[in-house]
Amino acid sequence: ETGVTQTPRHLVMGMTNKKSLKCEQHLGHNAMYWYKQSAKKPLELMFVYNFKEQTENNSVPSRFSPECPNSSHLFLHLHTLQPEDSALYLCASSQVVALEEQYFGPGTRLTVT
Amino acid sequence: SQQGEEDPQALSIQEGENATMNCSYKTSINNLQWYRQNSGRGLVHLILIRSNEREKHSGRLRVTLDTSKKSSSLLITASRAADTASYFCATSTGFQKLVFGTGTRLLVSP
Repeated sequence: ETGVTQTPRHLVMGMTNKKSLKCEQHLGHNAMYWYKQSAKKPLELMFVYNFKEQTENNSVPSRFSPECPNSSHLFLHLHTLQPEDSALYLCASSQVVALEEQYFGPGTRLTVT
Repeated sequence: SQQGEEDPQALSIQEGENATMNCSYKTSINNLQWYRQNSGRGLVHLILIRSNEREKHSGRLRVTLDTSKKSSSLLITASRAADTASYFCATSTGFQKLVFGTGTRLLVSP
């Protein structure tokens, strides 16, 4: 248990659905991240939030929409996804953005049908 | 790109043996971190080594950093079946993000 929780753990959605992934950290950290992990690819950073402000958008398609209402919660809103978006989506947090260790949640396994 | 690359991609050893994984990167860094990931789960931070450090230990883990060669190694001594996982290096340059390598899959057989 790293202090970062993610829900749901598994999600199957059709290409026309809208769903949201949720991440919560109980560590008092100021930075939160979304990563995408696909088979046989390096971990891809999607978004970075520092003190609730988005500081990095790594050329992510607009069908992924992040939201950070406060320093403890991070959402990833999904709509009109493609089958190639199927992956493990990982949330992480850190005290200071990118300079220190990151704490990861268990991930959401997303399958787009 | 600054992406780290681990070597080997896969490693299979027996319990009790040592496992060594290497990481190479391309640009100057603030620090380098190693993470472990059990199948389909989140990553767990193992150890962080700063650019002005050459070696660091944590339990059965030993990490070295050679900034002149832009490389790092992770040594797991006296491996156990529970060490079976993927291991990733990640580099920080201070520009908002960690850049992860492609990982080494370690299999430790009883």
